[in-house]
Amino acid sequence: SQTIHQWPATLVQPVGSPLSLECTVEGTSNPNLYWYRQAAGRGLQLLFYSVGIGQISSEVPQNLSASRPQDRQFILSSKKLLLSDSGFYLCAWSLSGREGTQYFGPGTRLTVL
Amino acid sequence: DAKTTQPTSMDCAEGRAANLPCNHSTISGNEYVYWYRQIHSQGPQYIIHGLKNNETNEMASLIITEDRKSSTLILPHATLRDTAVYYCIVRVGLSNFGNEKLTFGTGTRLTIIP
Repeated sequence: SQTIHQWPATLVQPVGSPLSLECTVEGTSNPNLYWYRQAAGRGLQLLFYSVGIGQISSEVPQNLSASRPQDRQFILSSKKLLLSDSGFYLCAWSLSGREGTQYFGPGTRLTVL
Repeated sequence: DAKTTQPTSMDCAEGRAANLPCNHSTISGNEYVYWYRQIHSQGPQYIIHGLKNNETNEMASLIITEDRKSSTLILPHATLRDTAVYYCIVRVGLSNFGNEKLTFGTGTRLTIIP
């Protein structure tokens, strides 16, 4: 069966510090990968998606970036965090061709102070 | 993708069937109806999807009206663990490269009452 891991579960970072969140998927090959953010009391916002190694599409211009160094690894980064980057970050995967059915990880709750 | 309208909140007694409505009057012929739920502090969970026929799986049933302008998600025997925000999403096709977005609205907050 497939599983998706995210870490860390929670993170408190000062403004201006860097960020690196990691997501890995097990039990499938060549998945589509997604990064979402959910601000407090708000809906989910798609940040990035990837259909393959090194292929990243950005949905929202911001100070965040994403990379996919390996088939089942997706990394969300920032060089300098802003207060507005606080939120619940979720990684998800889907099979290629079945993008409507996405499976989400447990999420990382980021607080920027 | 078509817009959906859901009630903001609903209550349901434990053990009873929970019926969650969704209106999608502008749905196109090639758009599917997907349902997800999000339990507090967890990631969303896929529940079920359908095109025009009613669908059932181990979690729920999906009833889509003949004109496809609305649908109902049915949780047959609600438990306290079903308390969550339920999202109805209409999306083009099973495969549509270049349009990967799942647009989550505000959903319905379902509370199961003991």
